[in-house]
Amino acid sequence: EIVLTQSPATLSLSPGERVTLSCRASQSVNTYLVWYQQKPGQAPRLLIYDASKRATGIPARFSGSGSGTDFTLTISSLEPEDFAVYYCQQRSNWITFGQGTRLEIK
Amino acid sequence: EVQLLESGGGLVQPGGSLRLSCAASGLTFSSYAMSWVRQAPGKGLEWVSEMSGSGGGTYYADSVKGRFTISRDNSKNTVYLQMNSLRVEDTAVYYCTKGRYSSGWNWFDPWGQGTLVTVSS
Repeated sequence: EIVLTQSPATLSLSPGERVTLSCRASQSVNTYLVWYQQKPGQAPRLLIYDASKRATGIPARFSGSGSGTDFTLTISSLEPEDFAVYYCQQRSNWITFGQGTRLEIK
Repeated sequence: EVQLLESGGGLVQPGGSLRLSCAASGLTFSSYAMSWVRQAPGKGLEWVSEMSGSGGGTYYADSVKGRFTISRDNSKNTVYLQMNSLRVEDTAVYYCTKGRYSSGWNWFDPWGQGTLVTVSS
C-alpha cells in the first residue's frame, strides 16, 4: 500500500498569506496525485488532479506541483473561504489518501 | 450538472447489515466508475470500494473485503453498497463519488452529501 504523509498537520495563517502544503508518498506515484478541500459538514471538493491540473471552477490562486514522491499544493493568497482541511490522494496503485492538513485562521 | 444522492444510512447493531444507495443524475452513468469513500467521525478519508462503468470490475479495501459488496444498476443510474457483518469501526459518513474514467484508478468528482452509518449496540 502506498502511504501518503501530509505535513504539517495544522497550519495557522492569516488571510492574504501564501501557503504551501506538502504530501509525500512512500513510493513513486508518477504524477497521479490529487488534492481535495473539505470544509466542516461538507463533502470533499476536487481542487487539483494529476499533480498540477486545476479542476473546473477552481481559482487560479490554487496550484499544484511535484512528481514521483514529493508534491505541494500552494495557495498564493489566502481568502477567508480557503480555511479548511486539505487531503491528497494517489491513484497510481489502488487508492489511498493522506491524513489531511488543517488550515486554520490565525 | 452531475448530482449524487446517497441514502440508506442509519443505526445498526454490530454484526448487522445495511444497504446504501446512490442515485446519480446529469451524466451518462455507464461511462464512469463509481466509488464509495468513508470518513469516520473526526477522521480522514478512506477509500472503500470501486466498480467500473460496465460493472465488470470491482475493487475493495482490505478493511471491508469479504463483508461489503458494491453493485450498480446502469438502467437506474444507481450504485449500491451492501454492508454485512458490520463492526463498530465501520461507523462513518459514507460518500458516493464519481470517477473520472470508466475503469482504472480515478480521481473523484463530484461527491454526494454523504450518509451516516452508525454501528453500535
